[in-house]
Amino acid sequence: TQLLEQSPQFLSIQEGENLTVYCNSSSVFSSLQWYRQEPGEGPVLLVTVVTGGEVKKLKRLTFQFGDARKDSSLHITAAQPGDTGLYLCAGYRMNYGGSQGNLIFGKGTKLSVKP
Amino acid sequence: GAVVSQHPSWVICKSGTSVKIECRSLDFQATTMFWYRQFPKQSLMLMATSNEGSKATYEQGVEKDKFLINHASLTLSTLTVTSAHPEDSSFYICSAQRWTNRVDYEQYFGPGTRLTVT
Repeated sequence: TQLLEQSPQFLSIQEGENLTVYCNSSSVFSSLQWYRQEPGEGPVLLVTVVTGGEVKKLKRLTFQFGDARKDSSLHITAAQPGDTGLYLCAGYRMNYGGSQGNLIFGKGTKLSVKP
Repeated sequence: GAVVSQHPSWVICKSGTSVKIECRSLDFQATTMFWYRQFPKQSLMLMATSNEGSKATYEQGVEKDKFLINHASLTLSTLTVTSAHPEDSSFYICSAQRWTNRVDYEQYFGPGTRLTVT
């Protein structure tokens, strides 16, 4: 069962266009993290959202956490070729009765921005 | 801050041999580290959770005798692929969990190790 559904899986756009990536779940997460991964490298943490309804901005990237903490979106304004990469959302799920949990990853969105 | 290193970055080995991959948190202590595997064009698949000073917790379907994990210190976890076979060829990525005031825990990933078994 895929706990985190990420869409779209692939996205190819022209430089200057806007785009939105969605991350949806039926489960509630204590926090949600967005990563960007380039080929042959490990994922790099972009942002962590914690509070329902939270909006965080990172230059041209806007991240939003759903009110119920079950979904999130990433919006990129005026995309540039340097934004090309695999974007992964990951929800943090606490273990019952413990202080440690683990990240549940979506399948990722492969973004290609053409000049 | 929050830098995680992996060594080696790539390795080629012969079928039947064992390979050890190291994961280090360079500027913070990590009681918990994670090992992932990633196939081309796919997302990360969690293999196991490595806890300092105790046995690792393996995900369903991951052979613990084949993928040996040792978390001997708060900054080092190792993954040993024993008796490697070509189907073990993959991109192995570790992450280290850091506690923060704001979000309880955040994970930071290493750069990955490309394993090719011939």
